[in-house]
Amino acid sequence: GAVVSQHPSRVICKSGTSVKIECRSLDFQATTMFWYRQFPKQSLMLMATSNEGSKATYEQGVEKDKFLINHASLTLSTLTVTSAHPEDSSFYICSARVAGGTDTQYFGPGTRLTVL
Amino acid sequence: RKEVEQDPGPFNVPEGATVAFNCTYSNSASQSFFWYRQDCRKEPKLLMSVYSSGNEDGRFTAQLNRASQYISLLIRDSKLSDSATYLCVVGFSSGSARQLTFGSGTQLTVLP
Repeated sequence: GAVVSQHPSRVICKSGTSVKIECRSLDFQATTMFWYRQFPKQSLMLMATSNEGSKATYEQGVEKDKFLINHASLTLSTLTVTSAHPEDSSFYICSARVAGGTDTQYFGPGTRLTVL
Repeated sequence: RKEVEQDPGPFNVPEGATVAFNCTYSNSASQSFFWYRQDCRKEPKLLMSVYSSGNEDGRFTAQLNRASQYISLLIRDSKLSDSATYLCVVGFSSGSARQLTFGSGTQLTVLP
């Protein structure tokens, strides 16, 4: 149980394009999902907390207009990187917490974004 | 000062060795504690939660010292498959949200 999927697993795009990443909880409902970014040899850094039916809460230094988050249902959250640039190249990982459960977060397999 | 600090390693140990990782956290209001493992270019996977009384799961033992704000992980009889990066993770409430803060990880390589 507690499986989270992410799509796509890898994307290569040109600078200036927008990329959408989907995060789905497959066998549970997740009122809260989280989006992280991890650069090589660094820790996961929380970008934003996504709550179903409400606006996402962004961490300091993360531009909400650049990283658009939509959490339209209890099983789906999307992150759109708008006007991507090479410095946005990173490993983007989502996680989901079981509704009414503990603090444990279950992670998706991640999306490796490369912006040329 | 980082909120969650870990020795980055790398730790290179022979098969069968016992290895210990340490972690300190700065937020005294932290409420939950975990060890995750992350394989190269993969997502983190929960290894075990850490409880105040200490807990064991097979070859893995986790300890928590709230007074010292210190967490440890002990791996006994290490296997080649234990090679990974081990992430110390601390949970706390921020406003109405409950978040996790990740340490940078400790890299372990178990050698044949």
